[in-house]
Amino acid sequence: KAGVTQTPRYLIKTRGQQVTLSCSPISGHRSVSWYQQTPGQGLQFLFEYFSETQRNKGNFPGRFSGRQFSNSRSEMNVSTLELGDSALYLCASSFLAGGEVLTFGAGSRLTVL
Amino acid sequence: GESVGLHLPTLSVQEGDNSIINCAYSNSASDYFIWYKQESGKGPQFIIDIRSNMDKRQGQRVTVLLNKTVKHLSLQIAATQPGDSAVYFCAEQGFTGGGNKLTFGTGTQLKVEL
Repeated sequence: KAGVTQTPRYLIKTRGQQVTLSCSPISGHRSVSWYQQTPGQGLQFLFEYFSETQRNKGNFPGRFSGRQFSNSRSEMNVSTLELGDSALYLCASSFLAGGEVLTFGAGSRLTVL
Repeated sequence: GESVGLHLPTLSVQEGDNSIINCAYSNSASDYFIWYKQESGKGPQFIIDIRSNMDKRQGQRVTVLLNKTVKHLSLQIAATQPGDSAVYFCAEQGFTGGGNKLTFGTGTQLKVEL
């Protein structure tokens, strides 16, 4: 079966712009989590959605937001981009929410100029 | 490929040797631990997991050891192969009202020398 699909794979934005990233989970998976990966901070949890509801949220400013649709696909949005938002954004899915192996996508590489 | 980290601890091993990657976790309440492998240009890939009621679990060529007393986790890879070269992350999950929030370690770069 298809894995976790993230689009776009690469994108370049300028400071002040906003960006929307998309994630399609594995078919049947209802939980989608988002992580930010940077050389300096490593992998950091952004948020998790399950059945269209945000279950957990990490310590990121309100410029970072997300949502999940009824088909379990998820989007995350970053508004008013800053240089420090340059990162690899990873999406992961699982069938349930809690105590399960997460399957990660290949990520969306965002560069902010 | 993607840069997954700068200044990562690096472990260099000869092909065929055993590798041991260590990880210290922070939350004594964490009850689920996972090891992930990340190759350049890819997302983290599941290797093996262990729950807090166990102290050892074995997979194919990999073994995870959990020492809750000192909050330490290790991944042992037997007969290391060139394809094992990657960055390895441990991750912990505590019960935070349910949910899949993982806290990742900083990662270790494993380099397999021929």
